[in-house]
Amino acid sequence: AQTVTQSQPEMSVQEAETVTLSCTYDTSESNYYLFWYKQPPSRQMILVIRQEAYKQQNATENRFSVNFQKAAKSFSLKISDSQLGDTAMYFCAFMKTRRGTYKYIFGTGTRLKVLA
Amino acid sequence: EAQVTQNPRYLITVTGKKLTVTCSQNMNHEYMSWYRQDPGLGLRQIYYSMNVEVTDKGDVPEGYKVSRKEKRNFPLILESPSPNQTSLYFCASRAGPIQGEQYFGPGTRLTVT
Repeated sequence: AQTVTQSQPEMSVQEAETVTLSCTYDTSESNYYLFWYKQPPSRQMILVIRQEAYKQQNATENRFSVNFQKAAKSFSLKISDSQLGDTAMYFCAFMKTRRGTYKYIFGTGTRLKVLA
Repeated sequence: EAQVTQNPRYLITVTGKKLTVTCSQNMNHEYMSWYRQDPGLGLRQIYYSMNVEVTDKGDVPEGYKVSRKEKRNFPLILESPSPNQTSLYFCASRAGPIQGEQYFGPGTRLTVT
């Protein structure tokens, strides 16, 4: 069974600084997606970034980038130039890409607070 | 506007009183899913559907029912709610079997007393 582990329940960072959130996962699948979702106080789930496992290049979206280490089963999120609006809960998620299934596994989340 | 809608957004009910949380998407997505979110546990999948009349259990299906009679709707039914079903519930949809991105509804805060 797949598992996703986020070992940092809470983190804080100064505005304009860089912070890295860690995520590790366990799977025997070779093809899958990994995601980072942001959940601000509004509770809305917002996709931050996604990574297909077959792509070696790390995904980037503006100030957000990932460090995807497939062999180590690690998928960390780096937020550069942190902004107050980045304060939120962040969830790492795993999805295997196989027809006939729609299974998502989420981590327990990291609460990030950006300090002014 | 492409979206997933859920109703109600907030619900307080009593133990044993049947309730339904509706979910609808306007993107013609094949796949839909229900999750519950609890502090310290993240999001856990309850049920999912891969097309009309095709549903399957997620990781925490006990105490819940679903149906998929139309492509756009995927209601979550609690036949006899209990206090341990107090949670934040999300509906989500996805275009197809390979597309990865899910679109989430705004969430339903359910309290069972």
